[in-house]
Amino acid sequence: KNQVEQSPQSLIILEGKNCTLQCNYTVSPFSNLRWYKQDTGRGPVSLTIMTFSENTKSNGRYTATLDADTKQSSLHITASQLSDSASYICVVSSFSGGYNKLIFGAGTRLAVHP
Amino acid sequence: DSGVTQTPKHLITATGQRVTLRCSPRSGDLSVYWYQQSLDQGLQFLIQYYNGEERAKGNILERFSAQQFPDLHSELNLSSLELGDSALYFCASSRTDRLSTGELFFGEGSRLTVL
Repeated sequence: KNQVEQSPQSLIILEGKNCTLQCNYTVSPFSNLRWYKQDTGRGPVSLTIMTFSENTKSNGRYTATLDADTKQSSLHITASQLSDSASYICVVSSFSGGYNKLIFGAGTRLAVHP
Repeated sequence: DSGVTQTPKHLITATGQRVTLRCSPRSGDLSVYWYQQSLDQGLQFLIQYYNGEERAKGNILERFSAQQFPDLHSELNLSSLELGDSALYFCASSRTDRLSTGELFFGEGSRLTVL
């Protein structure tokens, strides 16, 4: 069964600190992996998209890694800011039956405190 | 601003009623996707349209239906509403139907409350 599991479920850090969010997936065939940021009550916003051949991708203070062998990804946030408080969603795309199917993780809820 | 427009932003209705949610994709995007997000849950894929035709179906109930019009806007119809249908409904759009590396842009959602 295609699944995307994220950990931790929630996380509290102090402003200025770094943190790393984890994503493990059992999706086949694999097409790409995406990280989204979703502010409460808002639509998800794309942070990174990585294909099979990419190990690392950065977007400002956000750095995503992908290990396709172990089927793991991480999202590292550097020098956190209050505005980083949001849910971070890992999404794995699988191309099958002629179309891409996106499998969403449940998200990690991050709270950055002053 | 993602460029994807959803209306209404909020909707309160009663059980048994029917509502229509509307989505205008980004200019030039041919694919529209509908997702449901219940409280503290992940996004659940409902249905995808590409250039007016249904492309893929997810966990969409028979009480729900959707369509994409020639001008590419899409509507999601929810009927015989139940309390459990209360959720955020997101529309997303993309340039093609493949999403191999293409971006998926989400609207701000329509919050449906069924009383």
